[in-house]
Amino acid sequence: GNSVTQMEGPVTLSEEAFLTINCTYTATGYPSLFWYVQYPGEGLQLLLKATKADDKGSNKGFEATYRKETTSFHLEKGSVQVSDSAVYFCALNPAGTALIFGKGTTLSVSS
Amino acid sequence: EAQVTQNPRYLITVTGKKLTVTCSQNMNHEYMSWYRQDPGLGLRQIYYSMNVEVTDKGDVPEGYKVSRKEKRNFPLILESPSPNQTSLYFCASSVRDFTDTQYFGPGTRLTVL
Repeated sequence: GNSVTQMEGPVTLSEEAFLTINCTYTATGYPSLFWYVQYPGEGLQLLLKATKADDKGSNKGFEATYRKETTSFHLEKGSVQVSDSAVYFCALNPAGTALIFGKGTTLSVSS
Repeated sequence: EAQVTQNPRYLITVTGKKLTVTCSQNMNHEYMSWYRQDPGLGLRQIYYSMNVEVTDKGDVPEGYKVSRKEKRNFPLILESPSPNQTSLYFCASSVRDFTDTQYFGPGTRLTVL
């Protein structure tokens, strides 16, 4: 079936460190892939997305590339800030059906 | 302001007492969904609606009902809540389908005693 696997958290970094949060997926066909972010006490917000293989989604300094050969969509940022502290969810949408979310990865950035 | 609103934001209730969580969006979106978020499980979809009077089950529909009588509203109904429905609930909407950006409400924290 369709599923998303994210790296276990929490991820704890110092400000300006490099961030990678791994995400791999299992799906039939060519799903769209997403990263959503949840700041404390809020609902989720779309961070970036990619709809086909080799697409790169980017927003607010975050990037992720849709790698079909490795079924991955890893989230990266070159220099994290304290304000990036949040829970990050990888998600996929296989052929227009409902979104399937990973379990989330908590990022904590200290100054 | 474009937004998804949910009410109430917090609710403590007892087993078996029917309750409704309201969800409303002002963006004229076609799709609306309900999710529950539980520690270690992430978000799981309960029900979704593709348009007025069109609803379908998500991954965890047992114990829940929904209705979509108007485009802007998508209430979640728990006819006989049980403690295992204690969770954080989110409503979301999108323009056309799930490949579009999902706009989430602020969440409703429900405790069933």
